Amino acid sequence: QKEVEQNSGPLSVPEGAIASLNCTYSDRGSQSFFWYRQYSGKSPELIMFIYSNGDKEDGRFTAQLNKASQYVSLLIRDSQPSDSATYLCAVIRGTSYGKLTFGQGTILTVHP
Amino acid sequence: GAGVSQSPSNKVTEKGKDVELRCDPISGHTALYWYRQSLGQGLEFLIYFQGNSAPDKSGLPSDRFSAERTGGSVSTLTIQRTQQEDSAVYLCAGGASYYGYTFGSGTRLTVV
Repeated sequence: QKEVEQNSGPLSVPEGAIASLNCTYSDRGSQSFFWYRQYSGKSPELIMFIYSNGDKEDGRFTAQLNKASQYVSLLIRDSQPSDSATYLCAVIRGTSYGKLTFGQGTILTVHP
Repeated sequence: GAGVSQSPSNKVTEKGKDVELRCDPISGHTALYWYRQSLGQGLEFLIYFQGNSAPDKSGLPSDRFSAERTGGSVSTLTIQRTQQEDSAVYLCAGGASYYGYTFGSGTRLTVV
């Protein structure tokens, strides 16, 4: 079992729709969770992080965490073509430090 | 500096040569990570530093790879006797779990 798994994609949604990206992790001791966006040819960019169960909203983005189910998701509302990218889920065990483990990423395409 | 700085941005080297890749994180970044990304692939963990020590170097592919960090700041990744399979983008990230990790722009290594 991979340490961090993401829905394989690619995911294609129409402009204005909600894109839902999912991630599961195997280490029940994981404490901190991150979502990165990576455009082709660029390095990953941090867009959200979450530590507590529940939802965290930032603009059009909502991260959802369920530690009991070992599941973290990212919702993108009112998707735009500029949201087309690879989305990476990352997990870290420690509260202050530890190995930062990434999933393989999900390619999202938002079509006009 | 304003962000995580990596140098060189591009490096072409002959097979068998040694290369050094440099990462200069933002002041105060306690943790520093090195990843490798081949074309179209996910992020491959190499090593991480907490201060100057490396609690996890399990991702280094072989003993040709080594890394060090001095003064809790600059880190150098050294690849000895480069091989063609070492060709990839090498990414460095710094930060802390309570505010996330910022990536540099990467070093694109090509071994010919």
